[in-house]
Amino acid sequence: EVQLVESGGGLVPPGRSLRLSCTTSGFNFADHGISWFRQAPEKGLQWVGLIKSKPYGVPPEYAASVKGRFIISRDDSKSVAFLQMNSLKTEDTALYYCSRDGYYDVSGYPTFWADIWGQGTMVIVSS
Amino acid sequence: EIVLTQSPGTLSLSPGERATLSCRASQSVSSTYLGWFQQRPGQAPRLLIYGTSNRATGIPDRFSGSGSGTDFTLTISRLEPEDFAVYYCQQYGNSRLTFGGGTKVEIK
Repeated sequence: EVQLVESGGGLVPPGRSLRLSCTTSGFNFADHGISWFRQAPEKGLQWVGLIKSKPYGVPPEYAASVKGRFIISRDDSKSVAFLQMNSLKTEDTALYYCSRDGYYDVSGYPTFWADIWGQGTMVIVSS
Repeated sequence: EIVLTQSPGTLSLSPGERATLSCRASQSVSSTYLGWFQQRPGQAPRLLIYGTSNRATGIPDRFSGSGSGTDFTLTISRLEPEDFAVYYCQQYGNSRLTFGGGTKVEIK
């Protein structure tokens, strides 16, 4: 069974850092990109960023709201992805999800979609 | 950044009825990169539709997607009790991914 489990959330004061982990199992981690999303309480979904599998040789991509503060990385040997969150702001308070990016062929074009999600880990930024 | 606007915000329907959800983009979106997600209360989102009209694995055929350019639609032909949830459209382009604000489908 494919599983993703987020961990590392908690309560942190503004300006501090936190590192989230996305521990996976049940699929070949090295073959897949991983995306991070967040959802503030009672709000909609927001994309945080993504990291593609190593063969693509491209850097991670980030939403404008977190670029320069958040860093996504991966450890293929342990099937884990990370979200390093620095200079946290109160508006970063949210439930953070990671997802597997599955490969889907759309009319001959390769596309990637968040097809398996974890259950999320809550991050609260507050003094 | 492409803004996706979903309407209506809330749709009140009865089981067995047809639901039509709209997603309008602020500029043209590649249909290859337009998808829909379902989120039930207390659960993580689930991929429903990718590439505008392709159902993800295990998604029943009462769900269908259509559209092009700036206007996209998710249709649920006959609502089942488990379909009452929030639905989000999503697009990816120019290394940016955005979601619409969501449509809540509630029981009338």
